[in-house]
Amino acid sequence: DADVTQTPRNRITKTGKRIMLECSQTKGHDRMYWYRQDPGLGLRLIYYSFDVKDINKGEISDGYSVSRQAQAKFSLSLESAIPNQTALYFCATSDLAADEQFFGPGTRLTVL
Amino acid sequence: AQSVTQLDSQVPVFEEAPVELRCNYSSSVSVYLFWYVQYPNQGLQLLLKYLSGSTLVKGINGFEAEFNKSQTSFHLRKPSVHISDTAEYFCAVSDKAAGNKLTFGGGTRVLVKP
Repeated sequence: DADVTQTPRNRITKTGKRIMLECSQTKGHDRMYWYRQDPGLGLRLIYYSFDVKDINKGEISDGYSVSRQAQAKFSLSLESAIPNQTALYFCATSDLAADEQFFGPGTRLTVL
Repeated sequence: AQSVTQLDSQVPVFEEAPVELRCNYSSSVSVYLFWYVQYPNQGLQLLLKYLSGSTLVKGINGFEAEFNKSQTSFHLRKPSVHISDTAEYFCAVSDKAAGNKLTFGGGTRVLVKP
């Protein structure tokens, strides 16, 4: 079984709809991250969480919100989706002492 | 603020030829450096990382990278590529003082031709 899972893997929605992307991990890591990937821009950090009670904005948090429901779960919400939020979204985890981040398989979101 | 520049957006290369992917970073503090690979329709996986010590770092699948502090570079190399190396490669820098958040470059797409 995969250590970091994301649901759904693909989603097509319409402008103005509320969307939630979910991430779960079985690695026992405290730190979780949400990124979006756009062609030519690499991955950009949306939000990150160092533990259940610690949520921080990344470089592109506008239009997004997150919830850390448990150590293993970190959800990303788009309250009112817009077309320029069409992207590939990745969740990642790391533990306190490690430097490496472990990535989920990604969610491809299309906003029409 | 730190930034990462990958100088080539695409690199076509013939099978069994060498490849070098260039990465330069800017940061005012000590950093960790990473190369990640993304195969088609997959997530990212770590190729190699530089934390400290020897400036030549060896990773998986025959890749290696050299950290050059004076030139603020961390170029990735492989002496002989395979078709299976076709993927997108991302250089990333982590600020030790800021919780190890990663800043990524724009990516280099490697296409290996037979």
